[in-house]
Amino acid sequence: DTAVSQTPKYLVTQMGNDKSIKCEQNLGHDTMYWYKQDSKKFLKIMFSYNNKELIINETVPNRFSPKSPDKAHLNLHINSLELGDSAVYFCASSLSGGPSYEQYFGPGTRLTVT
Amino acid sequence: SQQGEEDPQALSIQEGENATMNCSYKTSINNLQWYRQNSGRGLVHLILIRSNEREKHSGRLRVTLDTSKKSSSLLITASRAADTASYFCATFYSGGYQKVTFGIGTKLQVIP
Repeated sequence: DTAVSQTPKYLVTQMGNDKSIKCEQNLGHDTMYWYKQDSKKFLKIMFSYNNKELIINETVPNRFSPKSPDKAHLNLHINSLELGDSAVYFCASSLSGGPSYEQYFGPGTRLTVT
Repeated sequence: SQQGEEDPQALSIQEGENATMNCSYKTSINNLQWYRQNSGRGLVHLILIRSNEREKHSGRLRVTLDTSKKSSSLLITASRAADTASYFCATFYSGGYQKVTFGIGTKLQVIP
């Protein structure tokens, strides 16, 4: 059984489009995260939600909007896609909103903007 | 340098040898974690060390933390070809606000 799943695995789209990436965890965790990994493998946190409440919101363009319908899901919606948005996006979850717990990562979504 | 910066950025060793990776950070932390990422995959948690701990072991892994020097090291003993991956350190802080920072990673190649 997949603990943290993301769909789609690959996403190729044109500049200006709007797209969403879905994430689901079946671990019963309270906290979920979105990370962006660029071509140099640098991993940067974008958002963190604890039980549907936003607790970390790093400096990301407001074209990126996380949506958490329930604590098992954290979707990422991106408006007006730009070339620089091309990256691998990882969803993760952890047991608690605090930093004391390990994070479980999804397999990633490779977004290519042309 | 960036918070959670690993050193070296790339390391190539023979199977059976030990591999040591270092991580430096700049700000206060609650804990530091090491993760492994195989090519094209998500990150997998390896070990967590709290700010009041100095050393921790898990199987062939040994992690040290020196908060006075703001540095940590990950030692993998008796390396195997399957250890070939990128290794990231991540610092976590929670004190009024939460901060999570990953380093740029060390790419380890273990040659059979």
